[in-house]
Amino acid sequence: EAGVAQSPRYKIIEKRQSVAFWCNPISGHATLYWYQQILGQGPKLLIQFQNNGVVDDSQLPKDRFSAERLKGVDSTLKIQPAKLEDSAVYLCASSLVFQASSYEQYFGPGTRLTVT
Amino acid sequence: AQSVTQLGSHVSVSEGALVLLRCNYSSSVPPYLFWYVQYPNQGLQLLLKYTSAATLVKGINGFEAEFKKSETSFHLTKPSAHMSDAAEYFCAVSDPRGSTLGRLYFGRGTQLTVWP
Repeated sequence: EAGVAQSPRYKIIEKRQSVAFWCNPISGHATLYWYQQILGQGPKLLIQFQNNGVVDDSQLPKDRFSAERLKGVDSTLKIQPAKLEDSAVYLCASSLVFQASSYEQYFGPGTRLTVT
Repeated sequence: AQSVTQLGSHVSVSEGALVLLRCNYSSSVPPYLFWYVQYPNQGLQLLLKYTSAATLVKGINGFEAEFKKSETSFHLTKPSAHMSDAAEYFCAVSDPRGSTLGRLYFGRGTQLTVWP
């Protein structure tokens, strides 16, 4: 079974530029999550999708971050414009079951973003 | 709201020694609890989880954790450390009532170093 795929793995941009990250979840997984992991901290949820609908985006800085999940499969996370404090690893995860807190989330390798 | 505190951002042990990584949670109801491991440049991998069944949970790679409600703790242990255990470990909590739809709240992580 293929795992969660993410690209690119690394990205370096200047502040005020735009960047987009892509995630392909495990086949059949209805729920998709985007996390931000700042160096020295645990991952923090940015947004959660159920199929192609948003169920939690309370922690997403909506003035600069946006995300979509077209057709309930792949997802993209965009930052426009980027700030220095956006430097972090962006992790995508997926899980099989909706609204089941005990079910495992499977994580991708992440995209390491550096904003200079 | 759920929260997790991991005591000790760095833990060093000798190969063959006991591994003990501490995690305390804050929750108004007994939560679901998880331990994840993260190797360099990789995503998070689930080690084990507690979902209100047996309080002593066994996971992969010889790790186990015990849920202690009276102490609001979920410490991770391994009787004998191996060099391959060197990684960062994250404790996470979710609300079993489902109001936050499987959202995980992570601690800041503990970096485990294993000396030969």
